[in-house]
This record gives sequence, structure tokens and C-alpha cells, in this order.
Amino acid sequence: DQQVKQNSPSLSVQEGRISILNCDYTNSMFDYFLWYKKYPAEGPTFLISISSIKDKNEDGRFTVFLNKSAKHLSLHIVPSQPGDSAVYFCAASEYGQNFVFGPGTRLSVLP
Amino acid sequence: GAGVSQSPSNKVTEKGKDVELRCDPISGHTALYWYRQSLGQGLEFLIYFQGNSAPDKSGLPSDRFSAERTGGSVSTLTIQRTQQEDSAVYLCASSLTRNEETQYFGPGTRLLVL
Repeated sequence: DQQVKQNSPSLSVQEGRISILNCDYTNSMFDYFLWYKKYPAEGPTFLISISSIKDKNEDGRFTVFLNKSAKHLSLHIVPSQPGDSAVYFCAASEYGQNFVFGPGTRLSVLP
Repeated sequence: GAGVSQSPSNKVTEKGKDVELRCDPISGHTALYWYRQSLGQGLEFLIYFQGNSAPDKSGLPSDRFSAERTGGSVSTLTIQRTQQEDSAVYLCASSLTRNEETQYFGPGTRLLVL
């Protein structure tokens, strides 16, 4: 049973618009969450993280929102750029340990 | 269905000893990846297997690290003469093919080198 779910395997967005990638988790003990971006034939690279003591973390065009009661987090990319086209992985952990990754969402930003 | 499994879940070893980490990918997945996640750092790619092709070893940090994949299924990551900086979570992932970018991750093996 997947503890971290990304129910949209793919998403297409027009350049300049907002991309919203969603992630749901089942383990209420998770307290640290990360997003990774992966280009084809490369390993994932860290993008942004959020601790459970916060509900929002922003870094440039990237913002992660955490809704603990719903066990849901989302990554917003504004404005989306063609270079953002990649697979995005959501990951969750307890106390920075035992990371659990979702299966990923492929984002395509159309010019 | 069964996901990616890894064993052991935790391993404590002494500096200088060799360790073997095992990964069982999802049945039918031809692509298998090993990653390392050190405390406070992002995911570091180590090695990639695709079917019977020669593996992509470009991410292995030193010649103390090696990996095998027998019969196109189970993979073993071996670290010889472990050092304290090898302490990390070692994650395995598999995907249907290399072009199938959705990767399914195992739970990881936490390695602690004393």
C-alpha cells in the first residue's frame, strides 16, 4: 500500500501559467516533505522542502503548500517555463529518516 | 501488488568492513536505479541498470562501490572497506523501461558506519 501517492501520472500546462502538482500521504507521523525534479536519463535533483511546522514554503517560482489535516501537499510553479518539463517526485519522512517517495508526475510545459 | 523491496532495512557496520545491500524490483521492470541520500542532502544517483545492457556507473562515488544485477531482476550494491562518510540511506527504484520515467522507490536501507 503506497504511503505517498501522486495520483496524476502526467500534467500539461501552457507556458506562463501555473503548474500545480499534488501529493497525498497516509502516515500521520510524516513531518518532513520534499519535492524532487528529474530530467530524462538523469537522477532526481532536490527542489524544495517543507517541515510540518509550516504550511507554506516559497523559493522563487516554486511554492510548496502543506495541509496536515488533509495529509496533502502541493507544489506550485508560477510562471511555468518549458525548462520545468520533467518528472516531479514527492517524498515524505519521519524526523528526516525513512524517506518514502511517490511514483512521480510528468509535467509538460507547452510553449 | 508487491512493490520494490530492499534489505536489510537497517545496517550498522564498523569502518573498514564490507556491506551488501539488496534490492528486489517490481516484477517485469527492466530498469533499476540505485540512489544515496545523505543526511540533509538531496538524492544522489549511483548506478543504473537497463535489461542486459552494460550498467551506467557514472554516479558511483569511488571504486569501493559496485553493483550487480543477476538475471535482470535482483540487484546487490556492495560497498567495500566502508567509511563513515558512506553512512546514508540507500534507495533503490525500478521502472518498466528506461523511457518510462515513473520510478517506484523501495523503502531504502539505512547504513550507519561507526
